Amino acid sequence: DTAVSQTPKYLVTQMGNDKSIKCEQNLGHDTMYWYKQDSKKFLKIMFSYNNKELIINETVPNRFSPKSPDKAHLNLHINSLELGDSAVYFCASSLGWTQSNYGYTFGSGTRLTVV
Amino acid sequence: GQQLNQSPQSMFIQEGEDVSMNCTSSSIFNTWLWYKQDPGEGPVLLIALYKAGELTSNGRLTAQFGITRKDSFLNISASIPSDVGIYFCAGQRSEGNKLVFGAGTILRVKS
Repeated sequence: DTAVSQTPKYLVTQMGNDKSIKCEQNLGHDTMYWYKQDSKKFLKIMFSYNNKELIINETVPNRFSPKSPDKAHLNLHINSLELGDSAVYFCASSLGWTQSNYGYTFGSGTRLTVV
Repeated sequence: GQQLNQSPQSMFIQEGEDVSMNCTSSSIFNTWLWYKQDPGEGPVLLIALYKAGELTSNGRLTAQFGITRKDSFLNISASIPSDVGIYFCAGQRSEGNKLVFGAGTILRVKS
């Protein structure tokens, strides 16, 4: 039973399209995150939600909109996709915002390719 | 912003060799974590360090929290082919702060 699962695993789409990536965790964690990993493998945080509330919103284009319907789910919607959005997107979760030093559990990633 | 400098960027070693990689920062961190990312997967936590000077092992892996709280290293002894992957350090300044990740060390093992 996967702890942090994200779908789809692969997403190929054309420039200008709108797409969503879904994430669910069954660990009972309060905090969830979206990370972007670029071609140089650098992991950059995009958003974090704690109990459905947005607590981190890094400098990310407003074409990216996260949504957390409940604390077990954090989805990422991307409007008007651009070539530079091509990357691997990772969802992660942690016990709580003040307990994130116990480490994050990551999903297996969504490889987004914009053509 | 907070930055972690991780080195080396990549290593290509012979099976059976020991490996060492490290992470440094200009800021003090209260927590250091080491992750491994296999190809096509997300990072997985290997070792967590919470106290300056702490030395922790996980099988053939050993990590240390630097005494100045500004660095950490990870050693892998007697490397095997399945050690291949990207190793990330991550640090947290204090509770409630986001994790900051290093740029990763790509490890390749020649058998």
